[in-house]
Amino acid sequence: GAGVSQTPSNKVTEKGKYVELRCDPISGHTALYWYRQSLGQGPEFLIYFQGTGAADDSGLPNDRFFAVRPEGSVSTLKIQRTERGDSAVYLCARGLAGRSEQFFGPGTRLTVL
Amino acid sequence: GQQLNQSPQSMFIQEGEDVSMNCTSSSIFNTWLWYKQDPGEGPVLLIALYKAGELTSNGRLTAQFGITRKDSFLNISASIPSDVGIYFCAGQTASSNTGKLIFGQGTTLQVKP
Repeated sequence: GAGVSQTPSNKVTEKGKYVELRCDPISGHTALYWYRQSLGQGPEFLIYFQGTGAADDSGLPNDRFFAVRPEGSVSTLKIQRTERGDSAVYLCARGLAGRSEQFFGPGTRLTVL
Repeated sequence: GQQLNQSPQSMFIQEGEDVSMNCTSSSIFNTWLWYKQDPGEGPVLLIALYKAGELTSNGRLTAQFGITRKDSFLNISASIPSDVGIYFCAGQTASSNTGKLIFGQGTTLQVKP
């Protein structure tokens, strides 16, 4: 693969529930990105981590969305009080500081019923 | 959010034909990337472009960074059935310092054997 694993691959939940999506990149890539891809659309940026800190969270749609990367490797995207409109594929990408190329994981397909 | 204008939306061609697709933006971009996405997978990086006028090849794929820095083109020569998929352009604006990518809506390519 692209050196990024994401779990779970599929998540079905009910409206109002809390979900966590995990991204595990290979070591040595300090930059980590989350994107959301709705059906028939290109990915849309959510948040960028450089090391442990969120350097740019301007793409998070509202305060129900939050992401962490406490040790600078694995990241978790957390969605509270899920809504049907949150249904999408959530993609994680790794990158190197100062480089433009981003390498994507397979994504987590989230379905909110 | 902001997206690039990618065209055509879809193409249905005969095996062996050449394919062209393009991406335009109202903003100046510093970097253009082209990705291919298969069903159920994350986008896979095909080509990265860094300078206006740059022409880069990867096998049968050739991409160009437009002189105006507001567009990019991808050509596929002598298409084969495994070229089927969705192709996305993506770029980083001149004003971005976080590396986040802005994606086009995608071009769906179907190849008839």
